[in-house]
Amino acid sequence: ETGVTQTPRHLVMGMTNKKSLKCEQHLGHNAMYWYKQSAKKPLELMFVYNFKEQTENNSVPSRFSPECPNSSHLFLHLHTLQPEDSALYLCASGVGTGGSPTGANVLTFGAGSRLTVL
Amino acid sequence: AQKVTQAQTEISVVEKEDVTLDCVYETRDTTYYLFWYKQPPSGELVFLIRRNSFDEQNEISGRYSWNFQKSTSSFNFTITASQVVDSAVYFCALSEARTGANNLFFGTGTRLTVIP
Repeated sequence: ETGVTQTPRHLVMGMTNKKSLKCEQHLGHNAMYWYKQSAKKPLELMFVYNFKEQTENNSVPSRFSPECPNSSHLFLHLHTLQPEDSALYLCASGVGTGGSPTGANVLTFGAGSRLTVL
Repeated sequence: AQKVTQAQTEISVVEKEDVTLDCVYETRDTTYYLFWYKQPPSGELVFLIRRNSFDEQNEISGRYSWNFQKSTSSFNFTITASQVVDSAVYFCALSEARTGANNLFFGTGTRLTVIP
């Protein structure tokens, strides 16, 4: 158990489906992140939330919609995805600050949600 | 622009051999942080080490050691006497204090396979 729990671990969806990925942490962290991991590419930062406020949206298409109802939970709502969106989606958490998380922030990652879009 | 290069895509070694994973980074910032993470087959990335740009001391932790050289912009990772449990994908990452507060730039990873 890493302290960051992601569900579901595997998801297969059609391009017209609506689904959500869930991330939960009980580490007392105030910053939460979504990363996308595709084969043979660097991990791509998608979104950052610091104290429930979105502080980073890395030019992610609107078919991905994050939600952070509190510092312990983070969702990624998926709608009208494309096959190229198939990837491992990793959630992470870190110590937040009153401003933005610092560059020294050590992240704790979940095991990821493997998404396949048909 | 920030960039992390891990030129070795895959490495295979026989158990008990030493192995070095290379990491070269690019940044214009004078204050930055370098990280290594391990991703075992279970999927989660596990933090191994963080160094800041002002601390070039090499570090040893058990069988792991890290060689940080600003002159060559490298932060290499050596596993001594490798074990099968070391098999994983290893990621080097960079963040900048100036702009990288929210952003950890990862390399493409090196897949290490330790053969028994």
